[in-house]
Amino acid sequence: QVQLQESGPGLVKPSGTLSLTCAVSGGSITSSNWWSWVRQPPGKGLEWIGEIYHSGSTNYNPSLKSRVTISVDKSKNQFSLKLSSVSAADTAVYYCARDWTGIGVAGTSFDYWGQGTLVTVSS
Amino acid sequence: DIQMTQSPSSLSASVGDRVTITCRASQSISNYLNWYQQKPGKAPKLLIFAASSLQSGVPSRFSGSGSGTDFTLTISSLQPEDFATYYCQQSYSSPRTFGQGTKVEIK
Repeated sequence: QVQLQESGPGLVKPSGTLSLTCAVSGGSITSSNWWSWVRQPPGKGLEWIGEIYHSGSTNYNPSLKSRVTISVDKSKNQFSLKLSSVSAADTAVYYCARDWTGIGVAGTSFDYWGQGTLVTVSS
Repeated sequence: DIQMTQSPSSLSASVGDRVTITCRASQSISNYLNWYQQKPGKAPKLLIFAASSLQSGVPSRFSGSGSGTDFTLTISSLQPEDFATYYCQQSYSSPRTFGQGTKVEIK
């Protein structure tokens, strides 16, 4: 059973950088899956931030691309998110998720999720 | 970006009711459509992938259908544990996008 666990500061100052890590257990980050970050502002819907493959290849949401960096540490079986120049609009619960590709299945889906971590941007 | 629009935004239903939620994509996405259930304070849970495939462990009262631009999630007989918010999500192209959610409440 794959498990994901987010960690990082719960409070970030405006204009600062949000940094989170997602530790993967019960499976290898070098499996044939992409690994994503998704966020959810309080009381609102879900927004995909970006994804990474264990090779280091990334895809980002164009709406955040200029501020986002996602990286992978295969030795620690984890991947990380950095979001720079944050503002109150970046206050959200941040989730990491496995982007699963099934054999013979159309597209991908987020089949395993972390429990989420609330990051508040405030001075 | 592909826009995903769900309807209704909320609904009230009773235990045992048949519930249908609709998701429309702004362009054809074939069957690259997933459905998730989210309860307050919890991460989303995958229910349906590839428009109509039931995720392992999900009760058979959940079903999905559709292709192209129009999709449906059906709960055949609503149970107390089904009161939650449901999201559709497309994986046809990047960026992945979600619908705005449909909140299913107790009547």
